[in-house]
Amino acid sequence: EPEVTQTPSHQVTQMGQEVILRCVPISNHLYFYWYRQILGQKVEFLVSFYNNEISEKSEIFDDQFSVERPDGSNFTLKIRSTKLEDSAMYFCASSGTGGVEQFFGPGTRLTVL
Amino acid sequence: RKEVEQDPGPFNVPEGATVAFNCTYSNSASQSFFWYRQDCRKEPKLLMSVYSSGNEDGRFTAQLNRASQYISLLIRDSKLSDSATYLCAVRGNFNKFYFGSGTKLNVKP
Repeated sequence: EPEVTQTPSHQVTQMGQEVILRCVPISNHLYFYWYRQILGQKVEFLVSFYNNEISEKSEIFDDQFSVERPDGSNFTLKIRSTKLEDSAMYFCASSGTGGVEQFFGPGTRLTVL
Repeated sequence: RKEVEQDPGPFNVPEGATVAFNCTYSNSASQSFFWYRQDCRKEPKLLMSVYSSGNEDGRFTAQLNRASQYISLLIRDSKLSDSATYLCAVRGNFNKFYFGSGTKLNVKP
């Protein structure tokens, strides 16, 4: 069964450093998403991406964040200058035509020290 | 006001019980509705989409009430393996999704 994959599973970084989280969506999917979940809190929408551009973003997704689909398979989330409060689990998701039912990757746990 | 609200629980039920969760949403223009299951420190897994006519998948039944702006999930004949946190999700305008905080279910032998 096709699945979304994410790397790394755990990333530790120093405050102020840049991080890139990587995702490989399901191959024939067209819509891609990033979410974050701070420990013990709800899943929060960050951004959706379709046709090589951002279609929606939340208030959390400020200028420190960017997304890119550098090739036909990868989808990345970059955080330019990490803050302590960026520590969370980051989930990538993808959906097929219609962009409705989303399938999540296993997540990257980001720890900012 | 929160976009999506759920009772956090926990719901502690014996095996074989029937349990129901509700979820309310604030945006009447919301387009699509879902239930996800999340195990501890794992990703959300899609359980089912929720359709206006209601839908059933084995022991799971989902209902949508647009007039009152809530969705529900009914689990019949609960199994130990149903223990998890159940998240409702709502698609708002365009391609933006909102998740509830989740309802924790503990099924006990």
